Amino acid sequence: DVKVTQSSRYLVKRTGEKVFLECVQDMDHENMFWYRQDPGLGLRLIYFSYDVKMKEKGDIPEGYSVSREKKERFSLILESASTNQTSMYLCASSFRQGSNQPQHFGDGTRLSIL
Amino acid sequence: SQKIEQNSEALNIQEGKTATLTCNYTNYSPAYLQWYRQDPGRGPVFLLLIRENEKEKRKERLKVTFDTTLKQSLFHITASQPADSATYLCALDVKQAGTALIFGKGTTLSVSS
Repeated sequence: DVKVTQSSRYLVKRTGEKVFLECVQDMDHENMFWYRQDPGLGLRLIYFSYDVKMKEKGDIPEGYSVSREKKERFSLILESASTNQTSMYLCASSFRQGSNQPQHFGDGTRLSIL
Repeated sequence: SQKIEQNSEALNIQEGKTATLTCNYTNYSPAYLQWYRQDPGRGPVFLLLIRENEKEKRKERLKVTFDTTLKQSLFHITASQPADSATYLCALDVKQAGTALIFGKGTTLSVSS
């Protein structure tokens, strides 16, 4: 089975801090994604990557950046955390660009910015 | 822009009945549509994928239909059980290469015994 592991289940940070959320997948997937999930708004795509060192903006990239130095690891960076970035963050991966493969999700990081 | 709607936030049914969840979309012609299940505090789990040229897909007690004329997908759970209680999300491909998905907000199903 595919395993997508997010480094923390719960995280509390302060306004203005630089925050790193890490995600690792063990199935050699080319595609990796970062979403945030908020009540009433559903899942929204922040960034995705279809190859090492490649990235594309999703629907809500403002205030975030990403890094993919190795195929199995995709990091989400909050450059200067703000309270409106308090949310559940979900990482996902899928096999092969250009195909209709399902996405495999981690169990999320619940991030609180105080 | 693409818009995807799931008909209701919550659906309550009795054990043994068939649950039917609806997913509607506008301003787009997706090549395929996916359904996911999400339990509280967990990430979504893939259930089924249906392509635009498929009318219906089945997996055990699950059935998905895809009507590209109506721009609608229906997700059925037959002989529902309390263990089926969860939030169900539909998702459409939105990029040319089918890499990224747009998700509906989900319908929370509660099955009572």
